[in-house]
Amino acid sequence: DVKVTQSSRYLVKRTGEKVFLECVQDMDHENMFWYRQDPGLGLRLIYFSYDVKMKEKGDIPEGYSVSREKKERFSLILESASTNQTSMYLCASSPWVAGGSYNEQFFGPGTRLTVL
Amino acid sequence: AQSVAQPEDQVNVAEGNPLTVKCTYSVSGNPYLFWYVQYPNRGLQFLLKYITGDNLVKGSYGFEAEFNKSQTSFHLKKPSALVSDSALYFCAVPPRGGNNDMRFGAGTRLTVKP
Repeated sequence: DVKVTQSSRYLVKRTGEKVFLECVQDMDHENMFWYRQDPGLGLRLIYFSYDVKMKEKGDIPEGYSVSREKKERFSLILESASTNQTSMYLCASSPWVAGGSYNEQFFGPGTRLTVL
Repeated sequence: AQSVAQPEDQVNVAEGNPLTVKCTYSVSGNPYLFWYVQYPNRGLQFLLKYITGDNLVKGSYGFEAEFNKSQTSFHLKKPSALVSDSALYFCAVPPRGGNNDMRFGAGTRLTVKP
């Protein structure tokens, strides 16, 4: 059974702290994604990666960075957490498919981050 | 830019009645459209997708979606709602080619009452 796991379900941090959110997938997928989910806004893409050490900015990358040193692991980093980064963070993965087709994404359970 | 819109924040239906969750799209070229569901305290799960072919797409849990090119819509439907269908539903579209990232709608909360 496919699985995407995230390091924490709930996290409370203080303003200015450096925060690491970890995501691991066991499906050997090439693509990995970080979204944030806010009520009324749906999911917004922060960053994605289509290969080890590769990263692409999504729609809202400001204040975030990412790291992908291994294929199965994709980390989201909040360099200096701020209260407006309080949100639900969802990680996802999907396989790469040739020919321009599109595959569904597999999501982790999410990390609810509160920045005080 | 490729995008989707979900015009309803909330949909309420009685158990056993048919349900519809609406989605409209703005896409250049051939659209690829997806529906996902988020049950309480869980991550998103894929329901179904439209790539090409039949306008009626069948998916998980008895859901189906109808692609309508003239109305630029991709509404999610189920003939008979269950209380367990209560969840948050998202329509999505890949905004750029080749990378499989998704742009999601704002979501529609479906509540099925017994």
